[in-house]
Amino acid sequence: DGGITQSPKYLFRKEGQNVTLSCEQNLNHDAMYWYRQDPGQGLRLIYYSQIVNDFQKGDIAEGYSVSREKKESFPLTVTSAQKNPTAFYLCASSFRGGAKSTGELFFGEGSRLTVL
Amino acid sequence: AQSVTQPDIHITVSEGASLELRCNYSYGATPYLFWYVQSPGQGLQLLLKYFSGDTLVQGIKGFEAEFKRSQSSFNLRKPSVHWSDAAEYFCAVAGPNNNDMRFGAGTRLTVKP
Repeated sequence: DGGITQSPKYLFRKEGQNVTLSCEQNLNHDAMYWYRQDPGQGLRLIYYSQIVNDFQKGDIAEGYSVSREKKESFPLTVTSAQKNPTAFYLCASSFRGGAKSTGELFFGEGSRLTVL
Repeated sequence: AQSVTQPDIHITVSEGASLELRCNYSYGATPYLFWYVQSPGQGLQLLLKYFSGDTLVQGIKGFEAEFKRSQSSFNLRKPSVHWSDAAEYFCAVAGPNNNDMRFGAGTRLTVKP
């Protein structure tokens, strides 16, 4: 079945450590996104990538980094510079545009990061 | 930049009752509008979307939404709520590029037996 796989589902980290969240999709989507979700704040865009080897900052990119070396993969690193990293992180993907584009984002099941 | 307001943080309805979740958006051009649903600890699933054409759109699970340009609204409705509809609902607005999709803060729906 096609879909988006995020791992790990739960992650604990000590302060000062970097951690990388994995996101893989087999939907043949061009675009991929990372959102952060906090209670009462909806989803906020961290980074997005429309094509391999290219990515753009979203609204809250500080303290995060990404790479897009393969079409299927878009890992997110939460660095020690992120002041409040405890949150639920969601990865999404979509067609980039043209006839295939429906505007819809397809989401993974999320990764919950807790900083101890 | 576009934005979305969901005025109701939490709504409780009885099973079998009708439901309306409110969504107001701000966008300079014709928006692309979406409703997503999220069960606890899960990702988001698309319920329905509006791009153009008929302002009343039908979605999955018996949901519908109506686009009202004059009111900048895109309210979600369901005539009879089921216990399995308890979840969090997000309204979203976007332009032609998905990278500018913005989400509301969400409305949590509780269904009473």
